Amino acid sequence: GENVEQHPSTLSVQEGDSAVIKCTYSDSASNYFPWYKQELGKRPQLIIDIRSNVGEKKDQRIAVTLNKTAKHFSLHITETQPEDSAVYFCAARVRFGAGTRLTVKP
Amino acid sequence: EAQVTQNPRYLITVTGKKLTVTCSQNMNHEYMSWYRQDPGLGLRQIYYSMNVEVTDKGDVPEGYKVSRKEKRNFPLILESPSPNQTSLYFCASSLPPGTQVLAGGINEQFFGPGTRLTVL
Repeated sequence: GENVEQHPSTLSVQEGDSAVIKCTYSDSASNYFPWYKQELGKRPQLIIDIRSNVGEKKDQRIAVTLNKTAKHFSLHITETQPEDSAVYFCAARVRFGAGTRLTVKP
Repeated sequence: EAQVTQNPRYLITVTGKKLTVTCSQNMNHEYMSWYRQDPGLGLRQIYYSMNVEVTDKGDVPEGYKVSRKEKRNFPLILESPSPNQTSLYFCASSLPPGTQVLAGGINEQFFGPGTRLTVL
């Protein structure tokens, strides 16, 4: 079955800096790669996703890149703000990574 | 309003006392699943259902049962809870994985608010 690995497990950045979270997957048949943000005490919510026929997608300060050959995809957050602090999960279809706790220091 | 609801939100129980966590969605989604979330382990899928009367095991099904008698409901049953089932549980629903949605559409999983279960 699918296996998703996510790195780093924790990430601390200064406000205004960029943050990058990376994931790898094992099943080459996977074709949908969502990213979820989970704030403290809340449910995971989709922030961006990408399909296997697309290499990059942007939405304001967040972007996701996908390398199908290498089977890895990444989340990029630019100009980070304190409200970006949360746990971020990548997924390959319905299989999730272990999560990255992002802390943005003011 | 499109939503997934779970009940109860919090539950403290004792070992061996059967319990059910309900899950309901109003988006007419075929696909529903249950996850447990534990620190450092992310979201692990317990069971999923592709449609009514169609259920299958996820990654960590031991100790759990599910049923899907109606499209909107997908209860999680712990016949004999044990302390290692203490966790945060999420129900989710979506279109079936792999569904080709329209351009610009998304196939996200909509999560319920979570149920924090403690088994003593």
